[in-house]
Amino acid sequence: EAGVTQFPSHSVIEKGQTVTLRCDPISGHDNLYWYRRVMGKEIKFLLHFVKESKQDESGMPNNRFLAERTGGTYSTLKVQPAELEDSGVYFCASSQAIGAVNTGELFFGEGSRLTVL
Amino acid sequence: LAKTTQPISMDSYEGQEVNITCSHNNIATNDYITWYQQFPSQGPRFIIQGYKTKVTNEVASLFIPADRKSSTLSLPRVSLSDTAVYYCLVGANDYKLSFGAGTTVTVRA
Repeated sequence: EAGVTQFPSHSVIEKGQTVTLRCDPISGHDNLYWYRRVMGKEIKFLLHFVKESKQDESGMPNNRFLAERTGGTYSTLKVQPAELEDSGVYFCASSQAIGAVNTGELFFGEGSRLTVL
Repeated sequence: LAKTTQPISMDSYEGQEVNITCSHNNIATNDYITWYQQFPSQGPRFIIQGYKTKVTNEVASLFIPADRKSSTLSLPRVSLSDTAVYYCLVGANDYKLSFGAGTTVTVRA
């Protein structure tokens, strides 16, 4: 069974440009989460989708970040315009059931590294 | 979210048992304790989860005392491939996982 896949694995862009990260969750997983680790910091929650609906986007840093999950399958995270402080690794995770923390069934992708110059 | 404290780093040798203790003094009644492992350039990977007493799976054991204010992840007979960062997370039905700095475990030959 394929795991959570993320694309691209690494993206280098200049400040002010736009980048779109993609996440394909495990098939059948209704819950999709985005996290990120900016340089030197901890992994932080960004938002949570249940199918195509945003359940919680309290972790989104500002309105330069837009996440979508049309059709409830894959998700994209767009950063526009990118700033230097957006550099880091963006992780996507998926789970079958809400409250996966209690069952440990939160599966992470390998992350997309974003470098903003 | 309950705050956790764990050692920044630990060194070990192949074949030894590694025990990582995590403190979570303000754990709530409905909080679970979950440990994740992360290798370089990869996403976190679930290792084990427990609520109280002892949990064991094919990878590790998790010991939780009665007061639940701490927990210990035990990795038996580590190998070089167990070199990774280990995160202790405490939460209840909460995907807003607070990973913290984790414990970097380095296994040497």
